[in-house]
Parts: sequence; structure tokens; C-alpha cells
Amino acid sequence: AQKITQTQPGMFVQEKEAVTLDCTYDTSDPSYGLFWYKQPSSGEMIFLIYQGSYDQQNATEGRYSLNFQKARKSANLVISASQLGDSAMYFCAMRESSGAGSYQLTFGKGTKLSVIP
Amino acid sequence: DTEVTQTPKHLVMGMTNKKSLKCEQHMGHRAMYWYKQKAKKPPELMFVYSYEKLSINESVPSRFSPECPNSSLLNLHLHALQPEDSALYLCASSAGRAEAFFGQGTRLTVV
Repeated sequence: AQKITQTQPGMFVQEKEAVTLDCTYDTSDPSYGLFWYKQPSSGEMIFLIYQGSYDQQNATEGRYSLNFQKARKSANLVISASQLGDSAMYFCAMRESSGAGSYQLTFGKGTKLSVIP
Repeated sequence: DTEVTQTPKHLVMGMTNKKSLKCEQHMGHRAMYWYKQKAKKPPELMFVYSYEKLSINESVPSRFSPECPNSSLLNLHLHALQPEDSALYLCASSAGRAEAFFGQGTRLTVV
């Protein structure tokens, strides 16, 4: 069963507008973490924002905020004031324990965001 | 310094070659990872090396073998690869439950 679901293969947004990228997850672990990464065409995975399962407040990092709805198991990324440089693939990921004190990230299929001038 | 350095950035190798990918971090992280990413797909975990213990994704073929010479380095040795192994190989490190920092990746082409 898919643990991370991103239902939007592609999204378009006008420059300077806000956009929401959807992510839902499934886990039975009470302690988990949710991450968003940006991957431009160069290939590097750039960490954007993190939300822990016990965090009471939604995470924010500059123009990025995470709309965390625990009961609905959703962790949507909101990008405000979109810029042309935001055009990239965006991955939602969930941290899971892989034993021996280590953790692994399981990624969704990604959403390709295109910012229109 | 939040940098993970991967070398080389690009690699073309024949199916009979032996090559190695190198990954280095100086953040004192005790966990390092190799991911494989095919075009238009999410990264898939291959190996985790954490606190000197190796965890393997059982679906990874034996022609890939990781090596951890010290806590800052994680190499990936490649031998007798197939064309379908062509992909972007990403290395990452993390301090336990915190976010993972990724390198820029190695684009591997097997001919």
C-alpha cells in the first residue's frame, strides 16, 4: 500500500501567486516526521520544511508553510508569492524507522510545479 | 556546513567495468544513505549505513555493494551493471530523526 500520496502530477501557478501542493500519508507509527523536498532539473534534493507528528503548530520556513491536518493525515505544502525559480519537482516524504537507530525516507511520486511569468 | 559531496557528477561505464561512487559528509552525521532515482520517479532507498551497521533493501542486486571506510565516507561499488541500472544515484546523510541532506547526485549511464 502506498504510504505517501501526491495526487497532482503537475501544477501551474502564476508568478507572485500562492500554490498548495497536496500530500496525504498513511502510517501506524505514532512518532513520524513529514518532509518536503524540492528537486530542480539539476537533480539535487533540497530540503524545504519539516513537520513532526507531535508538533502542535504548523511548520513555516520563509515562503514555505506546511498545512498539517493530523486527523486527515495530510501535510500540504503552501508556497506563497511564487517565483520563477520555484519551478521544479516537489516531493513529500515520510520518515520511518529502518532499525538500529536509523531512519529512512519514503517518497511520494512528486508534483511538477511550473511557475508562469 | 550542510554539504554532502558526491563524486563523480557524471559517469558512463560499460557493462564489464568496475567503478565506484563516492559520498562524503563532514556534519558528524551517523547515518548515510544511497538512493536510486529513475527518470520521472521518486528516489528509492538502496542502503542505509547507520552507527556502523548496514541495512540493505533486499531488492537491490548484488552488483551494487556499499562500503563505509569511516563515518564520513560512504562508497558505492559498481560491477557488471546492466543498462537498466542507468539512473541518478543520490547520497544523503542525517543525524537520526532530523532531515536528510542530499548530495547533488551522480548521473550514471551504463552502455
